Amino acid sequence: AQKVTQAQTEISVVEKEDVTLDCVYETRDTTYYLFWYKQPPSGELVFLIRRNSFDEQNEISGRYSWNFQKSTSSFNFTITASQVVDSAVYFCALSGNTGRRALTFGSGTRLQVQP
Amino acid sequence: GAGVSQSPSNKVTEKGKDVELRCDPISGHTALYWYRQRLGQGLEFLIYFQGNSAPDKSGLPSDRFSAERTGESVSTLTIQRTQQEDSAVYLCASSLEGQGVYGYTFGSGTRLTVV
Repeated sequence: AQKVTQAQTEISVVEKEDVTLDCVYETRDTTYYLFWYKQPPSGELVFLIRRNSFDEQNEISGRYSWNFQKSTSSFNFTITASQVVDSAVYFCALSGNTGRRALTFGSGTRLQVQP
Repeated sequence: GAGVSQSPSNKVTEKGKDVELRCDPISGHTALYWYRQRLGQGLEFLIYFQGNSAPDKSGLPSDRFSAERTGESVSTLTIQRTQQEDSAVYLCASSLEGQGVYGYTFGSGTRLTVV
């Protein structure tokens, strides 16, 4: 069975602070994909990143960076110099190559960035 | 189409009535998924279609829920005898295949309110 845990239910920061959203996953698959999605107040799901299990390189995209550590089954997401527009619910998700071939989502972390 | 299209965008129904929600995936996407998102919660997997294979119905919460997909085209999620706990946003996603190599595209969802 696959499981994604986002232990942080809600985080509140002040603009320009850095913030890290934690994601821990469980899977028995040897090949799998990890995702982060953003869900702003408008409700649509915005794709942020996909990482496959064979690529442990960290990734940076503008103010966003991702730290994938297979040894700890974690795929954490950091926003540098946060902005009010970053306020949203962020979901970490996992898909594998056996069993249920659908995304398994974490429960989400609500990020509030105060001006 | 350019994206995943869902209709209606909003639906208010009386308890006990049946409802049909429609999803039009991206042309050529063989995999289609339905998720449910209750207010303030994460996404729950409902059902997954992959080409002409038997669907994975393991996430359907009760026998009041059913879904169909004709080939690789439109899917319909039907909820019979709706209950208030069925109130949620129902999200549809499609992908080129069923593992996540090419990512998943989500529709904007149908917000169902049962009164």
